[in-house]
Formats: sequence, C-alpha cells, structure tokens
Amino acid sequence: DIQMTQSPSSLSASVGDRVTITCRASQSITNYLNWYQQKPGKAPRLLIYAASRLQGGVPSRFSGSGSDTHFTLTISGLQPEDFATYYCQQSYSALPYTFGQGTKVDIK
Amino acid sequence: QVPVQESGPGLVKPSETLSLTCTVSGDSLTNYYWSWLRQPPGKGLEWIGFIHFSGSTKYNPSLESRVTISVDTSKNHFTLNLNSVTAADTAVYYCARDRGGNIDLWGQGTLVTVSA
Repeated sequence: DIQMTQSPSSLSASVGDRVTITCRASQSITNYLNWYQQKPGKAPRLLIYAASRLQGGVPSRFSGSGSDTHFTLTISGLQPEDFATYYCQQSYSALPYTFGQGTKVDIK
Repeated sequence: QVPVQESGPGLVKPSETLSLTCTVSGDSLTNYYWSWLRQPPGKGLEWIGFIHFSGSTKYNPSLESRVTISVDTSKNHFTLNLNSVTAADTAVYYCARDRGGNIDLWGQGTLVTVSA
C-alpha cells in the first residue's frame, strides 16, 4: 500500500490566517492526490483533485500544489466555516486508495 | 431527493454479514465507478472497494476475503456485503461516486455497530 502522511496532525489558527497542511506519499504518485474537508457528523467533501484542481463550488481561498511525493493544501484567509478536519488521498493506485490520517484545524 | 443514500441495519451481530445498499438518485450508475468507504468512530477514512456498472470490482486487499460489492442497474443501486464481522468493523459506512479516484459525491453515511 502507498502510505500517506499528513502534518501537522492538528493546528490552531485564527480567522484570516493562512494555513498550510502537508501530505507526503511513501512513493511517487505523480499528481494523483486529492484533498477533502470533513466537518463533525458529516461526510467528507472533495476540495482539490489532481493535486491542484479546484472542485466546482469550492472557494478560491483553497489551493493545492505539489507532485511526486510532496503536496500541500493552503487556505488563504481562514474563514469560520473552514474549521474542520482535512484529509489527503492518493488515487494513483487503487490497490488500495489510501488516505492520510487527517489534520484537524481548530480555533485559536 | 438525496443524490446518494445508504440504507441497511444499524446493528449487526459478530460473525454475521453486514449488508448495505446505496441508492443513486438523479444520476445513472452507468456513468461512473461507485465506491464504499468507512470511518471508525473518531478515526480516519478507509476505502473498501469500488464497482463499475459492468460489474467489475476492485477491493481493498485488507478486506478482500470478506467483501463483495454488487450492482443492480435496473434499480439504480449497489450493495456492500461484509461477512464475518467483528467489533473492528464498527464504523460509519459511506457510499460515494468515484470519478477515477476523485470521490466527488458522498452519501450522508450510516453508522453500523457490531455487537451482540
């Protein structure tokens, strides 16, 4: 399995802050990397696919970058509705798809 | 109408089979792959497997010996069967649309508890 490692596991931030979450893959996944947001009691929501492509309806303050084994999700100007847990997921190999352990973003 | 909706028992006894159905509304099963995923309480996400409308499947090797996913295009639904369940299978189970690995439409999830 391809292992996905996110950092940090949690962070505290204020409204308006710029937040960056990192995801590393145990082997090259080219750009087959997706980011999801999950709020308590809700299903995950796709934010970014193919490392940097914004899913329809997702605010432009979310952006993704990276390739190979190193990826980042950036939130430029954190909003109150952005406090959530974020997961990366590789789709390079479906044997199996794997997720990072999650990064919880809460209010400072 | 919820686009993707899981249904099935919320309680399953150990050693029995967990069976869930995902009903797709407003879209055709024939256009995409369809996945099952799960999330144990307080933990991260695990992909279980997917199915194509043709019936081809791919499963997580960690669960492959116990999992079957099937599709009924006439009813526009697909099902998950997981046999020989234990407490470790207690989780929120999600069905979702899989656009080549980008899981872009999720059901609301259903909690399945394995307990006697």
